[in-house]
Amino acid sequence: QSALTQPPSASGSPGQSVTISCTGTSSDIGRYDHVSWYQQQPGKAPKVVIYEVSKRPSGVPDRFSGSKSGNTASLTLSGLQADDEADYYCSSHAGSIHSVFGTGTKVTVL
Amino acid sequence: EVQLVESGGGLVQPGGSLRVSCAASEFNFRSYWMSWVRQPPGKGLEWVANINQDGTSIFYVDSVKGRFTISRDNAKNSVYLQMNSLRAEDTAVYYCANSVAYVFHVWGQGTMVTVSS
Repeated sequence: QSALTQPPSASGSPGQSVTISCTGTSSDIGRYDHVSWYQQQPGKAPKVVIYEVSKRPSGVPDRFSGSKSGNTASLTLSGLQADDEADYYCSSHAGSIHSVFGTGTKVTVL
Repeated sequence: EVQLVESGGGLVQPGGSLRVSCAASEFNFRSYWMSWVRQPPGKGLEWVANINQDGTSIFYVDSVKGRFTISRDNAKNSVYLQMNSLRAEDTAVYYCANSVAYVFHVWGQGTMVTVSS
């Protein structure tokens, strides 16, 4: 039950785009389309921003987009805003394991 | 407003027990799977356990199997996590969340559990 692998940090200037990768295996990301992404701002609970690889919950701006290729999922933040500065976690279903989370990526807006 | 509120966290000695609770409001609680997710201080998220709508299907992460028990009371719109034989590595903020198709949609604010002598 190893965590999915994410880069520890990512950054960009306002208006730029940032892409975060999330690498798993053929038992989780590679097998299921149940990949979600969560934004966690300091001192707050996580909030889902992408689910089922590329779907956005109501209220999440279309600047957030998701994709998947093989065992790797990606989250792209376009038109970076100061409010996007947060930790981001991916998550995937993994068979008998309900969910496995990624190691987390801290996004900094320069 | 759809809301989940956790309670029951605190300081407990290694080997001790604690029960945390989560009360739901403004959504059809009995229609959802419910999960517990934890986050050690300064670290990432870890799914801990989940339970289906009527409590007949339950799953745990390996590290808590045999020590933690998840349960729910649909009449009280509440889900619980009974934690026994606690270890220092169980120290974390414990969040409850409802889930649909392995997506955690609504989260509580979390309750801190500290295991220390």
